[in-house]
Amino acid sequence: GEDVEQSLFLSVREGDSSVINCTYTDSSSTYLYWYKQEPGAGLQLLTYIFSNMDMKQDQRLTVLLNKKDKHLSLRIADTQTGDSAIYFCAEIRGSTLGRLYFGRGTQLTVWP
Amino acid sequence: DTGVSQNPRHKITKRGQNVTFRCDPISEHNRLYWYRQTLGQGPEFLTYFQNEAQLEKSRLLSDRFSAERPKGSFSTLEIQRTEQGDSAMYLCASSPGTTQETQYFGPGTRLLVL
Repeated sequence: GEDVEQSLFLSVREGDSSVINCTYTDSSSTYLYWYKQEPGAGLQLLTYIFSNMDMKQDQRLTVLLNKKDKHLSLRIADTQTGDSAIYFCAEIRGSTLGRLYFGRGTQLTVWP
Repeated sequence: DTGVSQNPRHKITKRGQNVTFRCDPISEHNRLYWYRQTLGQGPEFLTYFQNEAQLEKSRLLSDRFSAERPKGSFSTLEIQRTEQGDSAMYLCASSPGTTQETQYFGPGTRLLVL
């Protein structure tokens, strides 16, 4: 399809792992990104992965990329209440020089 | 330099009025982007600059919208004759202009058109 797709909601208990999934659109996408947005704020870059990688780990964050299925996931280990936010997946498509295409975002709620 | 800044942070205006927003990118960043975000949606691309040149405009950018980056540093986004449908968060981002293209976002300007 034309749109980057994400499930809209995810709830986890504090201390558990969270996995947020994304399906992107362009098999020639070069970079894929995860951004975090807290209420009323701009977007904070969390991490990114280049298309020639399958996995990237950065402290509590693990990104997995399945190019065959055009599937991207973000795992947050030991999720904290401060991780409650909206998480956006975004892609740079091969033909469009730098503009980002975003999903609708996944609202992560962490319960104490 | 602590990041991308945007002013004002909030703007309330009446339908038909003109508004202008400003974005100051991270120093030395060559590329500057404008996005619009409505409630419950992800950001949507509006336009982008490489230095002072406006290289791409989305079809979302109607003729009531104009963006400038006159000296290749800060940028302004003007909306003329605002409509209620223009109510949204307007986000600015900048990137170094290298092949990696990671974009860093400002806090946004929230516009409400009454």
